Amino acid sequence: DTEVTQTPKHLVMGMTNKKSLKCEQHMGHRAMYWYKQKAKKPPELMFVYSYEKLSINESVPSRFSPECPNSSLLNLHLHALQPEDSALYLCASSQDSPGQLLTDTQYFGPGTRLTVL
Amino acid sequence: SQELEQSPQSLIVQEGKNLTINCTSSKTLYGLYWYKQKYGEGLIFLMMLQKGGEEKSHEKITAKLDEKKQQSSLHITASQPSHAGIYLCGAEVTGANNLFFGTGTRLTVIP
Repeated sequence: DTEVTQTPKHLVMGMTNKKSLKCEQHMGHRAMYWYKQKAKKPPELMFVYSYEKLSINESVPSRFSPECPNSSLLNLHLHALQPEDSALYLCASSQDSPGQLLTDTQYFGPGTRLTVL
Repeated sequence: SQELEQSPQSLIVQEGKNLTINCTSSKTLYGLYWYKQKYGEGLIFLMMLQKGGEEKSHEKITAKLDEKKQQSSLHITASQPSHAGIYLCGAEVTGANNLFFGTGTRLTVIP
């Protein structure tokens, strides 16, 4: 199984709503990532979890709150978002090596397309 | 600041033609990754290059890494409509504990 699944596929929310994005993998990977991708732009790294601990936070606003309940699951909790946060949110996973961000293939999920009204 | 520049930004080729996409880094590369993305979908991993001079091939796609030039090229031989999509290079850049993606190259293959 080389699949990363993301739910929901689409999400429309208001600026006062609280919602969560979910990502799951069963490849035994210990590194998981959240990316944000605006239209016609490359993905931008948001967070990296390594062995269920947050190892990188790329100065992401606190209205985005990641959570890694176990080695297979990664959540992104959303609260009080702005319309400019509308984007495709991608999750990825890979085998992890201490001291290096990338040593192996990153497997990406299909993404959640988020629209903030 | 933009760390990875890709060229060309877009490319339209006739089916069966060969093509090359380049990715140039402004800083030393620790590793270079090529991905393909269909619009609005996740990224599909193509190849990973970690050593200068390394060259890898998968089916009709070949990628090379020129560490001295801080550049990588992706070459597609005898292109097919199934090759159409956005090609992205990604890299970990020296001094930055982060993964950057290139600006992307949109490939269209005309049957």
